[in-house]
Amino acid sequence: QSVLTQPPSVSAAPGQKVTISCSGSSSNVGNNYVSWFQHFPGTAPKLLIYDNNKRPSGIPDRFSGSKSGTSATLGITGLQTGDEADYYCGTWDSSLSAYVFGTGTKVAVL
Amino acid sequence: QLQLQESGPGLVKPSETLSLTCTVSGGSINNNSYYWGWIRQPPGKGLEWIGTIYYTGNTYYNPSLKGRVTISLDTSNNHFSLKLNSVTAADTAIYYCARDRDGLWDYWGQGTLVTVSS
Repeated sequence: QSVLTQPPSVSAAPGQKVTISCSGSSSNVGNNYVSWFQHFPGTAPKLLIYDNNKRPSGIPDRFSGSKSGTSATLGITGLQTGDEADYYCGTWDSSLSAYVFGTGTKVAVL
Repeated sequence: QLQLQESGPGLVKPSETLSLTCTVSGGSINNNSYYWGWIRQPPGKGLEWIGTIYYTGNTYYNPSLKGRVTISLDTSNNHFSLKLNSVTAADTAIYYCARDRDGLWDYWGQGTLVTVSS
């Protein structure tokens, strides 16, 4: 049972925008940096966003991250069929003394 | 380019110990800038952090695994290992090793499926 809640799925047409929320608490999202990962089943997860809103080199600026209070958001603009994957948020939980991942969100391109 | 590769048995019997190794190439694990860890994904479920080790040998484990986990470093062979004892079917998962840079996981192995079954 994850302490970070994400919507099970989001969808949009190619070229459109989707946002994925990651809802937590003061012991995790509220006071620690959030990362976002893209995961195609059967492959290694890829870091998309770290420190709430920073992109590693090579990640296009179509991907963006933000945080407000105890919620974080991943945005994907200019949606492409290649973006169909599972997306996870993650952060340290100071109460649990554990790194926690969100429940995961499947992105579908209509 | 840093690469991580998991290896180990794909089938473990219930109550026995799951043992995996992560071999790192393209960089040294004996580096004070990074931690090294294990994450798993049970079939049809999300990601779960198992634990992390620093180059000093300090370890941090997921409390939910209730003391069944041991992560160790072998700097001479540039790899780190996972042992999970008293396994049950609930431990069936894809196991990933990854590099942790101050709270973010930036390099991952491809993952290895471990099935717990008699």
